Amino acid sequence: DQQVKQNSPSLSVQEGRISILNCDYTNSMFDYFLWYKKYPAEGPTFLISISSIKDKNEDGRFTVFLNKSAKHLSLHIVPSQPGDSAVYFCAAGAGNQFYFGTGTSLTVIP
Amino acid sequence: DTAVSQTPKYLVTQMGNDKSIKCEQNLGHDTMYWYKQDSKKFLKIMFSYNNKELIINETVPNRFSPKSPDKAHLNLHINSLELGDSAVYFCASSQFIGNTIYFGEGSWLTVV
Repeated sequence: DQQVKQNSPSLSVQEGRISILNCDYTNSMFDYFLWYKKYPAEGPTFLISISSIKDKNEDGRFTVFLNKSAKHLSLHIVPSQPGDSAVYFCAAGAGNQFYFGTGTSLTVIP
Repeated sequence: DTAVSQTPKYLVTQMGNDKSIKCEQNLGHDTMYWYKQDSKKFLKIMFSYNNKELIINETVPNRFSPKSPDKAHLNLHINSLELGDSAVYFCASSQFIGNTIYFGEGSWLTVV
């Protein structure tokens, strides 16, 4: 039973354009959300987080948006760079455990 | 300096063997985890320890036994390895339970 879903397994974007990665969750009790970036043969690296008391959090080129009523969050990367090519995981949790999506593979085309 | 380090990174072993994966974090975090990423890319928690005490133990065969000698270390021992144990195992830590998780680089286990 998957509580966090990333329905797009892959995404290709031109360099300089916006990348939008989406994530849906089912449990309305989730109150903390994370995005991770993963290169091949490496561990996931923390990117950005948001708590349920906010609807937006920005860090440089990365912005996470949270829509609690839709149980949806998204990661925007602007402008996209070739080095952003990686797999992006979202995670959601409450209390003592996080649930992860299956990832979206982003390719930024130079 | 690697914050969460795990060894070995790659491990190929035969069915029936016993193996261990070691993990250490130098972040001063109280909570450590083992996650498993299977062939379908699901990243699922296996165990969570807080200050050396077991907090989460998901439905994992008891062939898997975590050991936390101190709060900076959480080792994973696997007995009688099976083909289905082949996966990537990630160690992770967080300052406290429910806080942002920081992952190690992963250990690629292949059982043949």
